[in-house]
Amino acid sequence: GAVVSQHPSRVICKSGTSVKIECRSLDFQATTMFWYRQFPKQSLMLMATSNEGSKATYEQGVEKDKFLINHASLTLSTLTVTSAHPEDSSFYICSASTPAYYKGNTEAFFGQGTRLTVV
Amino acid sequence: DQQVKQNSPSLSVQEGRISILNCDYTNSMFDYFLWYKKYPAEGPTFLISISSIKDKNEDGRFTVFLNKSAKHLSLHIVPSQPGDSAVYFCAASVTTGTASKLTFGTGTRLQVTL
Repeated sequence: GAVVSQHPSRVICKSGTSVKIECRSLDFQATTMFWYRQFPKQSLMLMATSNEGSKATYEQGVEKDKFLINHASLTLSTLTVTSAHPEDSSFYICSASTPAYYKGNTEAFFGQGTRLTVV
Repeated sequence: DQQVKQNSPSLSVQEGRISILNCDYTNSMFDYFLWYKKYPAEGPTFLISISSIKDKNEDGRFTVFLNKSAKHLSLHIVPSQPGDSAVYFCAASVTTGTASKLTFGTGTRLQVTL
């Protein structure tokens, strides 16, 4: 299947600092990427939709000033957790949809995820 | 409001037997359904999908059944193997072109025992 690479896989940061997570589609152009968050033993919750060249669309209850999303190119979206607090500790996952012409399928492929721990 | 529900948080099945994972949804606008397998600290891996115009899709050991009237889908794994032990998420989406905005269920942890 398509390859979506997410980096870093694990990060520990101090309270008050900012952390940037990158999501890259390696073998296709993704005009739309999605950012999810997973709490322990819970489902993946969609945080925002990242649109190339325009502002991200945030789900209800997600602070857009805290979770900054930039989709500067067709292969890269970044999520920056600003002024991180311990309650932001979570598993963050990005996904990208392949265009319809990609092997005839339109699927969502996921990155490996990033485990963020704020201390 | 949980639009996609997996009511069984865990399931234990003996190797070689059938595993049946269930998923219910409430949003009648969903027209595309997917199953993902997930290991701890990893991103989900796509398994199989089904469009609402079908009631069955099969891929090797994995078969997904869709009952639109009941808003219910299930994933059958036959025969189950120890390597199938993982958390399985069902997901649903409304087709909007090329983007797949997914709504996930809460997951079912499958344990395949020897």
